[in-house]
Amino acid sequence: EAGVAQSPRYKIIEKRQSVAFWCNPISGHATLYWYQQILGQGPKLLIQFQNNGVVDDSQLPKDRFSAERLKGVDSTLKIQPAKLEDSAVYLCASRPTGRHEQFFGPGTRLTVL
Amino acid sequence: GDSVTQMEGPVTLSEEACLTINCTYTATGYPSLFWYVQYPGEGLQLLLKATKADDKGSNKGFEATYRKETTSFHLEKGSVQVSDSAVYFCALSPDSGAGSYQLTFGKGTKLSVIP
Repeated sequence: EAGVAQSPRYKIIEKRQSVAFWCNPISGHATLYWYQQILGQGPKLLIQFQNNGVVDDSQLPKDRFSAERLKGVDSTLKIQPAKLEDSAVYLCASRPTGRHEQFFGPGTRLTVL
Repeated sequence: GDSVTQMEGPVTLSEEACLTINCTYTATGYPSLFWYVQYPGEGLQLLLKATKADDKGSNKGFEATYRKETTSFHLEKGSVQVSDSAVYFCALSPDSGAGSYQLTFGKGTKLSVIP
């Protein structure tokens, strides 16, 4: 079974630029999560999707972050404009229906200069 | 709200030493508990889980027991290897009745095993 795929793996941008991350969850997993992991900390949830609908985006900084999951499969997370404090690893995870555990992708390491 | 507290790192051990990483939680009801491991440059991998009180999760020589009375889920291994060097995260998912299945993570404990 293929795991969660993410791209790119690394991205370096200047502040005020925009950036987008892509995630392809495990086939059949209806629930998809985006997390932000700042160096030395645990992952923090940004947004949760159930199929193509948003379940929880209460911790997403909506003035600069946006996310979508068209057709209920792939998802993209965008930052526009980026700030220095957005430097982090962005993790995507998916979860099978009825189970608690989440399966994570390799993450995208973003550096904002 | 829910929270997870795990012991501060870093932890440095010699190969074949015993490992314990403490984890306690605050949550209502009976959350599901997890240990995830993150190797350098990689995402999080599920190491083990327990979904009800007194359950013992185990994998790759690691074990953790869900203790409701002490709200703990300590990670243990009898003999660590250099390949166990990684960051370990304790996490919880709320009681099924809450519906969201969101994970709350601890801050992580970095383990380094030296030959």
